[in-house]
Amino acid sequence: QSALTQPASVSGSPGQSITISCTGSSSDVGNYNLVSWYQHHPGKAPKLMIYEVTKRPSGVSNRFSGSKSGNTASLTISGLQVEDEADYYCCSYGGSDTVLYVFGSGTKVTVL
Amino acid sequence: EVQVLESGGGLGQPGGSLRLSCAASGFTFSSYAVTWVRQAPGKGLEWVSSITGGGGTTYYADSVKGRFTISRDNSKSTLYLQMNSLRAEDTAVYYCAKHPYFLIGAVAANFDYWGQGAPVTVSS
Repeated sequence: QSALTQPASVSGSPGQSITISCTGSSSDVGNYNLVSWYQHHPGKAPKLMIYEVTKRPSGVSNRFSGSKSGNTASLTISGLQVEDEADYYCCSYGGSDTVLYVFGSGTKVTVL
Repeated sequence: EVQVLESGGGLGQPGGSLRLSCAASGFTFSSYAVTWVRQAPGKGLEWVSSITGGGGTTYYADSVKGRFTISRDNSKSTLYLQMNSLRAEDTAVYYCAKHPYFLIGAVAANFDYWGQGAPVTVSS
């Protein structure tokens, strides 16, 4: 299985909303409601932002939301803030013992 | 506070070996599955290997199967990754990531805490 496809970069101004897409296949994203999203500031530990497509862990701002349609999942950041500038990765359950989890290629979010 | 801290990275020779460790604190380590994820320079994240809370079941990506071994010592709250027959393409930052459940798979398809990573460079 190949990596999930994400746009290399997305940008927006403070206060705006942006959406990051994550396209997989019927073997992963399309077959399971098990997509998660991670925020990664380089040099720091990645942080779980969304799990099981739409669920937000305790402590994560409600400005972050997730959705899925077919083989594509999406992460929306509303009310964009400077501290949201980071790399974002999606991840899907892969369903097989040798492809347990499939990650996206990553998206750099820039706050203009 | 939940913490996971990787160590043991560094320079390895092609064909050589390295062992990574991940020390966990702030939670009952034996109750949760753990996974290694890596990020090659300029690339995205890649799942490497996972182990259930009790250590009884392990999983490997095809790219490392037969060369890497994941294990854990629950008495020391520590996860390990023994990397043998190293290749240049194993060069990456290796992250230790905790699952929110004991088991692996669909029931635990996310990682709720991560370490900051241990860099591994394979070069002669």
